[in-house]
Amino acid sequence: DGGITQSPKYLFRKEGQNVTLSCEQNLNHDAMYWYRQDPGQGLRLIYYSQIVNDFQKGDIAEGYSVSREKKESFPLTVTSAQKNPTAFYLCASSKGQLIEKLFFGSGTQLSVL
Amino acid sequence: AQKVTQAQTEISVVEKEDVTLDCVYETRDTTYYLFWYKQPPSGELVFLIRRNSFDEQNEISGRYSWNFQKSTSSFNFTITASQVVDSAVYFCALSEAGSSNTGKLIFGQGTTLQVKP
Repeated sequence: DGGITQSPKYLFRKEGQNVTLSCEQNLNHDAMYWYRQDPGQGLRLIYYSQIVNDFQKGDIAEGYSVSREKKESFPLTVTSAQKNPTAFYLCASSKGQLIEKLFFGSGTQLSVL
Repeated sequence: AQKVTQAQTEISVVEKEDVTLDCVYETRDTTYYLFWYKQPPSGELVFLIRRNSFDEQNEISGRYSWNFQKSTSSFNFTITASQVVDSAVYFCALSEAGSSNTGKLIFGQGTTLQVKP
């Protein structure tokens, strides 16, 4: 079945540590996105990529980094510069322009030890 | 600035009741798209509907219906004869076509719907 796979489902970060969240899609979609979800705040865009080897910052990119070396993969690294990383992270993809509907993964819950 | 407001944080109904989830948006663009997504406890957001700014026709899909009114900048979602499986967080979202912000989907805060048996 086609879809988006996020791993791990739960992740714990120690002080000063970088952690990487995985996102893989087999939908042959060009565009991929990372959103952060905090309770009561809805979803906020961290980074997005519309083609391979290119990506743009969203509203809250500080403390995060991404790469898009392959069409299928869009990993997100939460760096030690992100002082409040505890949140639910959702990866999404779409065929092309954002006016298309988004397909979402099942998310990764990141917590700080 | 673009903004989506879902004023209802939590709604609780008894099964078979009808329930309406409110969504009010702000945008300066004349061309835009509105969405509703459902987030069940599993965490994955599921697409429900997309509506463009030129199409004000109401839409019905089974027990779901949507009322889009540009005059009041609202895109409300009604579930008729609610069921326990409808329990989820529902998000309204706005996307703008042809702007420098292409690539950004602006979400409301979400409304948690609990349907009790």
